Amino acid sequence: AQSVTQLDSQVPVFEEAPVELRCNYSSSVSVYLFWYVQYPNQGLQLLLKYLSGSTLVKGINGFEAEFNKSQTSFHLRKPSVHISDTAEYFCAAVAMEYGNKLVFGAGTILRVKS
Amino acid sequence: ETGVTQSPTHLIKTRGQQVTLRCSSQSGHNTVSWYQQALGQGPQFIFQYYREEENGRGNFPPRFSGLQFPNYSSELNVNALELDDSALYLCASSLVRGSSYEQYFGPGTRLTVT
Repeated sequence: AQSVTQLDSQVPVFEEAPVELRCNYSSSVSVYLFWYVQYPNQGLQLLLKYLSGSTLVKGINGFEAEFNKSQTSFHLRKPSVHISDTAEYFCAAVAMEYGNKLVFGAGTILRVKS
Repeated sequence: ETGVTQSPTHLIKTRGQQVTLRCSSQSGHNTVSWYQQALGQGPQFIFQYYREEENGRGNFPPRFSGLQFPNYSSELNVNALELDDSALYLCASSLVRGSSYEQYFGPGTRLTVT
């Protein structure tokens, strides 16, 4: 079965420090991967996506992620965070053989402290 | 370009009642998906509609039903509400035929069942 695991439920970090939010997926075949951000009382906004091609994907707000097929990971990174990055981040995956179902991880709350 | 909109924003219902939530797709999008996001969890796929036909369903009982209209707007109906139905309901639209790729989410409807 396809599943997405986010390894940290909360990640506290100081402003201007680097951050990595971890995501692992399980799929036996090709997979498309996404990171979404959710600010309090709002819907989901797409940060970046991996469909094919280069394994290093750049997104909005200075975020990037690297697809690692051998480790079945898609970790999200930012070299220097801002207070405004405080939000919940969701990793999600679609595997083509499972049709049109977007499967989400449980989320990671990023708390940026001054 | 108009984004995905949902109504109402908040809703309070009593156990056993029925509720209808509404979603307007992003302009030009022909596929709508609905998700349930319980507090502290990632969104769970309910179902998807493509050109007015159901095109995939998650692990939700039949009392969760939907419609898509010719203008690609959509409704989610929930009958016989239970306390566990309290959640944020998210609608997402996409352009590619029946696809979950590059979904654009609305702000959600917060349903509270008492």
